[in-house]
Amino acid sequence: DAGVTQSPTHLIKTRGQQVTLRCSPKSGHDTVSWYQQALGQGPQFIFQYYEEEERQRGNFPDRFSGHQFPNYSSELNVNALLLGDSALYLCASSMGPNTGELFFGEGSRLTVL
Amino acid sequence: QQQVKQSPQSLIVQKGGISIINCAYENTAFDYFPWYQQFPGKGPALLIAIRPDVSEKKEGRFTISFNKSAKQFSLHIMDSQPGDSATYFCAAARSGAGSYQLTFGKGTKLSVIP
Repeated sequence: DAGVTQSPTHLIKTRGQQVTLRCSPKSGHDTVSWYQQALGQGPQFIFQYYEEEERQRGNFPDRFSGHQFPNYSSELNVNALLLGDSALYLCASSMGPNTGELFFGEGSRLTVL
Repeated sequence: QQQVKQSPQSLIVQKGGISIINCAYENTAFDYFPWYQQFPGKGPALLIAIRPDVSEKKEGRFTISFNKSAKQFSLHIMDSQPGDSATYFCAAARSGAGSYQLTFGKGTKLSVIP
């Protein structure tokens, strides 16, 4: 049973560029949440997708956007990258939006130069 | 505004000892309190979680103690083992909003030495 898979695992971008990160949820899960984890910090909630709609959003600017596909997979897009966007981006899936039992992927490590 | 404060930042425990990590929260609307374990290069994994209607929950060597009046909760790891060496995060969430948004503490790096 495959868990949450994320791609790419590592990537390097320069300031002002755009990036797309991808996530496939655990089998049987239909809800995807994205978190940003800066070095030495706890994860911070970006947004959650369910039924192809953004259900809830954390305190992140509009440069951060997402999408969920009919097969429940999801993308996180970040435009106009800043140095401060360098972080580990974690995708978490769950069975429905109303559960706190999240299963996290291993993350995508983004470095912005 | 840090809504979940976690301490200590790092912890060294002898094998067989008890590891204790504490968290305090501010938002009284929180009603779900999980603990996650993260190994280097891996994503966080859910260890154990508690709701405010109980004061303690135990699963194997891991116990959560919850004090609603003090707005504090803690993780106890009994008989700590070197394999428990990892970073532990407490978190809190409010249900009933149609979705769960976890607010995490900053983490505690636990090292269990033989």
